[in-house]
Amino acid sequence: ETGVTQSPTHLIKTRGQQVTLRCSSQSGHNTVSWYQQALGQGPQFIFQYYREEENGRGNFPPRFSGLQFPNYSSELNVNALELDDSALYLCASSLPGGSKVNSPLHFGNGTRLTVT
Amino acid sequence: QKEVEQNSGPLSVPEGAIASLNCTYSDRGSQSFFWYRQYSGKSPELIMSIYSNGDKEDGRFTAQLNKASQYVSLLIRDSQPSDSATYLCAALTSGGSYIPTFGRGTSLIVHP
Repeated sequence: ETGVTQSPTHLIKTRGQQVTLRCSSQSGHNTVSWYQQALGQGPQFIFQYYREEENGRGNFPPRFSGLQFPNYSSELNVNALELDDSALYLCASSLPGGSKVNSPLHFGNGTRLTVT
Repeated sequence: QKEVEQNSGPLSVPEGAIASLNCTYSDRGSQSFFWYRQYSGKSPELIMSIYSNGDKEDGRFTAQLNKASQYVSLLIRDSQPSDSATYLCAALTSGGSYIPTFGRGTSLIVHP
């Protein structure tokens, strides 16, 4: 069974630039969620994708956008980077909640983004 | 706004003691609850899930759920230094999208 993989592991960008983070979901999981975790904080929900459609969104501005592909992998795009975007970005896959409400999230190792 | 509250700690316990971690949630519609362990610089890993009122035991870990009080706890028996980590509580609300909301985590330090 293949777990959740994220790339890159670390990234340094300059304020105003754009970044794309990638995630491959765990085998058999068709739901992908993205979280932002600032230092010392819990993960904050960005959005979730199910069957290539956005299935929920947290309190993040439109410059945070995403995609899910037919193979269930996903991308998180952030435009016009700000210093406060520096965080650990976590991707998690799960079984769809509609059929399995108790399905927990399985996290990848995260991407550490630093904006200077 | 749906919230999950945890004391950030740190909670310091001696090796071999019982560590008790607590969590409260605001949304009465929450049905499923999860405890994740996160080592420094690493991603969260699931250690326990609980869906019904009462206790659920798994090895040295016991999760407790009281929906009337909107309270979830995690007990770690015979605490080991390797248990030192941040413990995240998450609540999953039914209806619409099933999206877990996380607390900020409690830092646990188990000292020899």
